[in-house]
Amino acid sequence: GAGVSQSPRYKVAKRGQDVALRCDPISGHVSLFWYQQALGQGPEFLTYFQNEAQLDKSGLPSDRFFAERPEGSVSTLKIQRTQQEDSAVYLCASSLGGDDTQYFGPGTRLTVL
Amino acid sequence: RKEVEQDPGPFNVPEGATVAFNCTYSNSASQSFFWYRQDCRKEPKLLMSVYSSGNEDGRFTAQLNRASQYISLLIRDSKLSDSATYLCVVKFGGNQFYFGTGTSLTVIP
Repeated sequence: GAGVSQSPRYKVAKRGQDVALRCDPISGHVSLFWYQQALGQGPEFLTYFQNEAQLDKSGLPSDRFFAERPEGSVSTLKIQRTQQEDSAVYLCASSLGGDDTQYFGPGTRLTVL
Repeated sequence: RKEVEQDPGPFNVPEGATVAFNCTYSNSASQSFFWYRQDCRKEPKLLMSVYSSGNEDGRFTAQLNRASQYISLLIRDSKLSDSATYLCVVKFGGNQFYFGTGTSLTVIP
């Protein structure tokens, strides 16, 4: 079956622009996670949804970052007024439940100039 | 201090060698433990979960030492296809999963 998909795969933004990154989880997966992976580092937790509820957003680095999953399936991560330090790969993962195996999407590589 | 620490390597080993990676974690209340594999410019994929009793999957063996708060991964009879970055992952506190920085492995012909 289809895995987790993310779009766009690559995004170049000028500093100060807003961006929106999309994640389509595996159908039926309740849990959805967003991670930020900087070059040479492991993924860092940003936020977690259970269905449409955002249960944990403690990893979001600033109030410029906002995530939503209004219907409990597709999720969008929005970054306002992008800064150069936001350049990273943004990974989305979904799982059946919070304790189950996470399946990652291919990520969106964001470059802020 | 990071919640999960790994030796970044790189580890360069010949085919057929045995190689071991260690990972330490800071929170004694950690609940679940995993090893993920990440190929260059690809997404992480689950390699194996780590159980208190230790577990084996073919050439891969994972062990957990709760008293010392470390996790290990042993790869026997290394193959060229094992070349990747291996990420140690620890879950604690709700649904937060903490990844190490990864250990890079290159298996040389």
